[in-house]
Amino acid sequence: NAGVTQTPKFQVLKTGQSMTLQCAQDMNHEYMSWYRQDPGMGLRLIHYSVGAGITDQGEVPNGYNVSRSTTEDFPLRLLSAAPSQTSVYFCASSYSRTGTTDTQYFGPGTRLTVL
Amino acid sequence: AQKVTQAQTEISVVEKEDVTLDCVYETRDTTYYLFWYKQPPSGELVFLIRRNSFDEQNEISGRYSWNFQKSTSSFNFTITASQVVDSAVYFCALSEAQRDDKIIFGKGTRLHILP
Repeated sequence: NAGVTQTPKFQVLKTGQSMTLQCAQDMNHEYMSWYRQDPGMGLRLIHYSVGAGITDQGEVPNGYNVSRSTTEDFPLRLLSAAPSQTSVYFCASSYSRTGTTDTQYFGPGTRLTVL
Repeated sequence: AQKVTQAQTEISVVEKEDVTLDCVYETRDTTYYLFWYKQPPSGELVFLIRRNSFDEQNEISGRYSWNFQKSTSSFNFTITASQVVDSAVYFCALSEAQRDDKIIFGKGTRLHILP
């Protein structure tokens, strides 16, 4: 198993550009989520999904869109990048809802800089 | 409200000393889960432990131990005989069964183990 993969690892955007951060897992996990990590702020939940076709907002959803058309993939879209979205982005997944018995696995992260 | 507080932003100890990382949480739910994650300098997030609200037994795993006390809403983490490899940022997190098990993280404690 490759686990949770994220692409790209690094990205630089100009203000106003759009892009998609890719996240994929090959563990047949139902639950997937996106976090951003900023210095001194810990990890904050952006969006999450409890299964294909189902998504919901986390703490800081503004400026981001997600979709979950397959169990494996959970892309995060930035529609019009802003400098405030400069951060490290982590994707995570678990077999079932995290509150049951499963470990949440994290991807290696994407470091995004918006100029 | 759902909240996790890690009051210690940064701790430094000399190798072989014991160190305790504090975590205090707030929740209205009776069913919830608490987690600790480690983020070493390489940046990945490593799951350490998950504890559900109905199990107040303390847990020990090698040099790591966790003290869960519902009466004080705390879930503290102790490293015994610390080693330089324990240097990392440690995150405490909470998820509530009634909130789709979204995981909310504390801001983290940066631990420096000095040789």
